[in-house]
Amino acid sequence: DVKVTQSSRYLVKRTGEKVFLECVQDMDHENMFWYRQDPGLGLRLIYFSYDVKMKEKGDIPEGYSVSREKKERFSLILESASTNQTSMYLCASTFLGQGTTEQYFGPGTRLTVT
Amino acid sequence: AQSVSQHNHHVILSEAASLELGCNYSYGGTVNLFWYVQYPGQHLQLLLKYFSGDPLVKGIKGFEAEFIKSKFSFNLRKPSVQWSDTAEYFCALRGNTGKLIFGQGTTLQVKP
Repeated sequence: DVKVTQSSRYLVKRTGEKVFLECVQDMDHENMFWYRQDPGLGLRLIYFSYDVKMKEKGDIPEGYSVSREKKERFSLILESASTNQTSMYLCASTFLGQGTTEQYFGPGTRLTVT
Repeated sequence: AQSVSQHNHHVILSEAASLELGCNYSYGGTVNLFWYVQYPGQHLQLLLKYFSGDPLVKGIKGFEAEFIKSKFSFNLRKPSVQWSDTAEYFCALRGNTGKLIFGQGTTLQVKP
């Protein structure tokens, strides 16, 4: 059974703090993704990675960075948290290539920036 | 540009009513289409997917969806909903970039 885990379910941070969100998958997936989920906006892609040390910007990368030092781990970094980054953050992973490449999601981290 | 639009943002039904959630996409190439569901407090999980072949796709928990290429649609249906179907439903498209593009989501509330 595929498992994608995220380091925290709930997080409260202050404006200006540096925030790290961690995601780990146990299925040897090449691709990993970070989304944010907001009511009425669905899921929007922040960054994704298709290999170790590789990353690409998604649709809303501003204010975020990522790190992928190991295949199983993909970190999302908020360099200086702001209140408009209060959101639910979802990590996902999938195999590279064709076929039934559905994405598997983690439980999410609800981040509140005060 | 690739996009996905879900028409219904909030749907309220009584148990045993039939369900149809609309999903339209904008993309001219070969598409892979998905419906994901997020039950309260749970992970986003796959309901069903369309890659090719039979345009009527059956998923888990009695859900099905029909891909109509001429209408750029992939509507989700269930003949008789249950209270346990209360959740948020997302339609998604995977186009040539390999990335998923999600619709805005539809919140379904089923009254017992």
